[in-house]
Formats: sequence, C-alpha cells, structure tokens
Amino acid sequence: LAKTTQPISMDSYEGQEVNITCSHNNIATNDYITWYQQFPSQGPRFIIQGYKTKVTNEVASLFIPADRKSSTLSLPRVSLSDTAVYYCLVGGSGGYQKVTFGTGTKLQVIP
Amino acid sequence: KAGVTQTPRYLIKTRGQQVTLSCSPISGHRSVSWYQQTPGQGLQFLFEYFSETQRNKGNFPGRFSGRQFSNSRSEMNVSTLELGDSALYLCASSARQGANYGYTFGSGTRLTVV
Repeated sequence: LAKTTQPISMDSYEGQEVNITCSHNNIATNDYITWYQQFPSQGPRFIIQGYKTKVTNEVASLFIPADRKSSTLSLPRVSLSDTAVYYCLVGGSGGYQKVTFGTGTKLQVIP
Repeated sequence: KAGVTQTPRYLIKTRGQQVTLSCSPISGHRSVSWYQQTPGQGLQFLFEYFSETQRNKGNFPGRFSGRQFSNSRSEMNVSTLELGDSALYLCASSARQGANYGYTFGSGTRLTVV
C-alpha cells in the first residue's frame, strides 16, 4: 500500500471551507484513494472515495490531479461537528496487503 | 442493514489475564481486519481474515491472535495481558479484500489493563 503523508493538525472557523491534502507519491495504477473520518472513541467512518479527477457526495468533495500523487479532501462550510481526525488511505484490490492508516489530520473547528 | 458489531464495548482486565474480543461483520462481508488504537501510536494493523484464513499480520507479538468462523464472525485473543495492551480495539469489515472496497468499522472495544 502506498505510504501517505498528511498534515498533523488544522484549525478552521465555522462556516469556512477546509481542504486537507494527502501526499501518496508511490500510488499504484489500481489504487483508489479513500478518506475516513474518526470521532473520539469511535471507529473511522467512510467519507468519500475516488480514482481520478473529482468526486463529490453529500458531505465532501475529493480532488485528484492527473498524476494522482496527491489528493485533497474538501469539506464545505464546516461546523463544530466536523471536528475529528481525517485519514487518507490508498490501496488496491486483492489480498496480502497490510492496510496501514497514516497519522491522520486532526481538524479542530473553532466557533 | 446492521453495521459491524463489536462486543463487549468496555472491558477491564488484570495483568497476566487473557481476553477475547468479538466482531460480527456486515452481512455478506467476508473480510475482517483488526486494529489497535492508542493515543501515542494511532491505528495499528493487527491482522486480517478472509474466508477463515489469516491473510495478513501486523507487527504484534504472538500473544495477539485471532480467528474467523464460517459465518465470517471473528474473534481476537490477547494472552498474558500487559499494561501496554490498554487500547481501543477496532474491527473493520469489507466485502472483499483490498482497500478499494472500503472498510466499515465497528465502535470498538475499550480494553483497560490494570
């Protein structure tokens, strides 16, 4: 699995758009990029997944440039309830892969 | 449909004891992975089971073991507990092996070793 690098922490005010970037320089051809959100004492929750270009769902957008060596999770108009740790996970299909989550980005939304 | 169910939610054990944690995946999911999460180490991969076979193992001592049953339910066991084993243990299920398919996590079991 590709190693990922994210900022350790970010602060944002309520109502702002937040962009969290993840670097994954050794992403493989069949790897997808998936983002998870985790609140304290809970398991991570799937947010969004993409392969290339842009993906949007009801909670977030995911931007992936053509070289796919990085990706950006965009959270529009964050609220206090978006305070959480966000993980970027890059991996493909098939077995025998140790699924390693990076350190994640701790997002603190300020009122 | 029902999510991933982990039992028990909380557990307090004494050093030297052993513990068994249970995970029931989403119906139809055949892959179950286990993680240990501590404040200092983040999410650490323990092992993954698929079709009752361990497919991957993380860098944990042999005191940590697991198994998967024919109905895909999984258990993990920790023997000779140490204080450092205190953590949130999470299991995740997936329809198939591979990060592409996405993981659904349970709420975890909070283990405290005293």
